[in-house]
Amino acid sequence: GAVVSQHPSWVICKSGTSVKIECRSLDFQATTMFWYRQFPKQSLMLMATSNEGSKATYEQGVEKDKFLINHASLTLSTLTVTSAHPEDSSFYICSARASRRRYLETQYFGPGTRLLVL
Amino acid sequence: LAKTTQPISMDSYEGQEVNITCSHNNIATNDYITWYQQFPSQGPRFIIQGYKTKVTNEVASLFIPADRKSSTLSLPRVSLSDTAVYYCLVADSGYSTLTFGKGTMLLVSP
Repeated sequence: GAVVSQHPSWVICKSGTSVKIECRSLDFQATTMFWYRQFPKQSLMLMATSNEGSKATYEQGVEKDKFLINHASLTLSTLTVTSAHPEDSSFYICSARASRRRYLETQYFGPGTRLLVL
Repeated sequence: LAKTTQPISMDSYEGQEVNITCSHNNIATNDYITWYQQFPSQGPRFIIQGYKTKVTNEVASLFIPADRKSSTLSLPRVSLSDTAVYYCLVADSGYSTLTFGKGTMLLVSP
């Protein structure tokens, strides 16, 4: 099936530093990728929608200057958490939407990245 | 996007069939129904998707009545490893976002 990878799987950083998370679609091209955040025992919350070659669309309440998203190619999107603070500690999950050429037109999710800000 | 309603939790035993029902009274004509499974500290895993009637794959079946206002995910002969949160979502084929509800926490016991 459609495979989406994320790197790193977990990261610990000091408060004030920036962290970059990569999301890759391994066996299909994804014109659209999505970034979610999930706090313990809660559901996934969409942060932003990323389209290849254009600016990301952020959900209400998500700071675009803090969570920088770049979708430079059809297989790669990156999320950079700038000046991270302890409240940014969370589980970040990306997904990629496949076209019906190979897979069902639905979102396939990466394994997630655990971010801990000290 | 149509709202969905699922039971918060369900309990089962190994070897039993589990049916999780999702209500989506406001589903639109173009909406598909998709189910995901999520284990702790992992991303959601696609299980099955359907539009109407019945869909079956190697892991589950999805039953959708004619009015499409609900759907039932059926897991045959569950095992301990099926303990997870199951999410039901509805969105159209050209959707750009998915809205996750609270999901159903399925606990399978020996």
